[in-house]
Amino acid sequence: EAGVTQFPSHSVIEKGQTVTLRCDPISGHDNLYWYRRVMGKEIKFLLHFVKESKQDESGMPNNRFLAERTGGTYSTLKVQPAELEDSGVYFCASSQVLAGGRGTQYFGPGTRLLVL
Amino acid sequence: AQRVTQPEKLLSVFKGAPVELKCNYSYSGSPELFWYVQYSRQRLQLLLRHISRESIKGFTADLNKGETSFHLKKPFAQEEDSAMYYCALRGGAAGNKLTFGGGTRVLVKP
Repeated sequence: EAGVTQFPSHSVIEKGQTVTLRCDPISGHDNLYWYRRVMGKEIKFLLHFVKESKQDESGMPNNRFLAERTGGTYSTLKVQPAELEDSGVYFCASSQVLAGGRGTQYFGPGTRLLVL
Repeated sequence: AQRVTQPEKLLSVFKGAPVELKCNYSYSGSPELFWYVQYSRQRLQLLLRHISRESIKGFTADLNKGETSFHLKKPFAQEEDSAMYYCALRGGAAGNKLTFGGGTRVLVKP
């Protein structure tokens, strides 16, 4: 079974440019999460989709970040315009929706973003 | 608010020695606690969760609600245990999101 995949693996852009990150969850996983780790800090939650709906976007830092999950399959996270402090590793995770409980979150390899 | 603290950024031990990674949390309800591990050039993966009460790769962790801790232990460290370890919490009121500690890098020397 294929795991969570993310594209690109690395991205180097200049301040003010736009970058779009993509996450493909494990097939059948309705829950999709975005997290990020900025340099020297802990991994922090950004948002959570259940199918195509945003369940929790309390971790989104500001309106320069836009996440979508059209059709409830893959998701994109767009940063526009990118700022220096957006540099870090962006992780995607997915899990099943389980009756009576919450499934294990499986993580993708991450996208390493560097804003110059 | 929920918070996870891993006080050690780096733990260096010799092969065969015991290793203990500390994790303390703050959460007002009944949390789920996890340990995730990231080996070099690999993705973050679940090592164990407190509700499973199992030992994975020789590691165990006990949830101590009185001390709000979930320390990870292994009696005899192996070189392949060298990795980054993250303690994480999932709280009912906060939905499904995971709150991570800052991580502890474990280096097992031969």
